Amino acid sequence: GAGVSQSPSNKVTEKGKDVELRCDPISGHTALYWYRQSLGQGLEFLIYFQGNSAPDKSGLPSDRFSAERTGGSVSTLTIQRTQQEDSAVYLCASSHNNAGLKFGPGTRLTVL
Amino acid sequence: DAKTTQPTSMDCAEGRAANLPCNHSTISGNEYVYWYRQIHSQGPQYIIHGLKNNETNEMASLIITEDRKSSTLILPHATLRDTAVYYCIVRVPRNQAGTALIFGKGTTLSVSS
Repeated sequence: GAGVSQSPSNKVTEKGKDVELRCDPISGHTALYWYRQSLGQGLEFLIYFQGNSAPDKSGLPSDRFSAERTGGSVSTLTIQRTQQEDSAVYLCASSHNNAGLKFGPGTRLTVL
Repeated sequence: DAKTTQPTSMDCAEGRAANLPCNHSTISGNEYVYWYRQIHSQGPQYIIHGLKNNETNEMASLIITEDRKSSTLILPHATLRDTAVYYCIVRVPRNQAGTALIFGKGTTLSVSS
């Protein structure tokens, strides 16, 4: 079946603008994760949704970052007042029970 | 989640077995061992996971010591395309809220001809 999809694949924005990144997880997957990866760096955990439980937001770097998951499916990661240090590849992943995470192709965000 | 320790880098000759170690001495009884890899410019890819029995799939084998304090990922016949960063992670699999999957620095495996 279809994998995890993310949109847009690339986003270029100006400093101070807001951006929204979208993730469509695999149907039926109850867990959804957001990570980001700056150039040459490791994976940085941002936020984790599991079913109807309160999300784990412990990885969000500042209050400019927020995420929602509507209806237990699609998720949107919003970055307000973007800064140049927000430039990175934003990766979404989903999983079901104890299976491994399936990652999407990522959104490459460039803040000018 | 339990912390893992992996070597920073390893080299392997093409066609030989690549054995990637991971130490997880503080692992809890209900935590699984997961392995992922990330090939340059691609997203991470799930490889294999296990609890205490050795596991094998089409990609690799996972050997977990009897005391579960360490494990080894084995790529039986490494190819150039296996060059990647390999991550070992331990966690509870039931996706309880708060048990986020945290990636460490991993091992950079370089396969050469």
